[in-house]
Amino acid sequence: DVKVTQSSRYLVKRTGEKVFLECVQDMDHENMFWYRQDPGLGLRLIYFSYDVKMKEKGDIPEGYSVSREKKERFSLILESASTNQTSMYLCASSPASGGATEQFFGPGTRLTVL
Amino acid sequence: KQEVTQIPAALSVPEGENLVLNCSFTDSAIYNLQWFRQDPGKGLTSLLLIQSSQREQTSGRLNASLDKSSGRSTLYIAASQPGDSATYLCAVRPYDTGFQKLVFGTGTRLLVSP
Repeated sequence: DVKVTQSSRYLVKRTGEKVFLECVQDMDHENMFWYRQDPGLGLRLIYFSYDVKMKEKGDIPEGYSVSREKKERFSLILESASTNQTSMYLCASSPASGGATEQFFGPGTRLTVL
Repeated sequence: KQEVTQIPAALSVPEGENLVLNCSFTDSAIYNLQWFRQDPGKGLTSLLLIQSSQREQTSGRLNASLDKSSGRSTLYIAASQPGDSATYLCAVRPYDTGFQKLVFGTGTRLLVSP
């Protein structure tokens, strides 16, 4: 079974702190994604990576950056956390090969910024 | 711009009922459609993936259909059980993005009472 793990289930940070969210997948997938999920807005894509050191902006990249130094690991970085970044963050991965592939999700990290 | 709608937003049924969850999308140019389940405070679990060339997929008590031309998908759950209580999300993979972005609906919250 594909396994996607996230470093923390719950995280509480203060405004202005630098925050790292880590995601690891064990299926050698090329693609990895970071989404945030908010009530009434659904899931929105923050960033996507299709290979080591490669990244693409999603729909809402402002205030975030990402890092992918190894194929299995994709990090989301909040450079200076703000209260409007309080949300559920979900990581996903999928194999390459065109449009036909399934995305697999991690358990999520609920981040609260005070 | 692709939009995905799920109706109803919430559904409550007694145990044993067969039920249908609906998903509609505005642009039929999609690679695939994926149904997910999300338990409260948890990540997403992939239930079924339907490729654009397929009409339906089945897994156990679940059956998902896809009518691309009308922009609709349904998830049929047979003989519902209390353990089916969760939020069900559908997502489409549009053609018009250069990477594997999914566009999500906001979900149907299902409660199955014993």
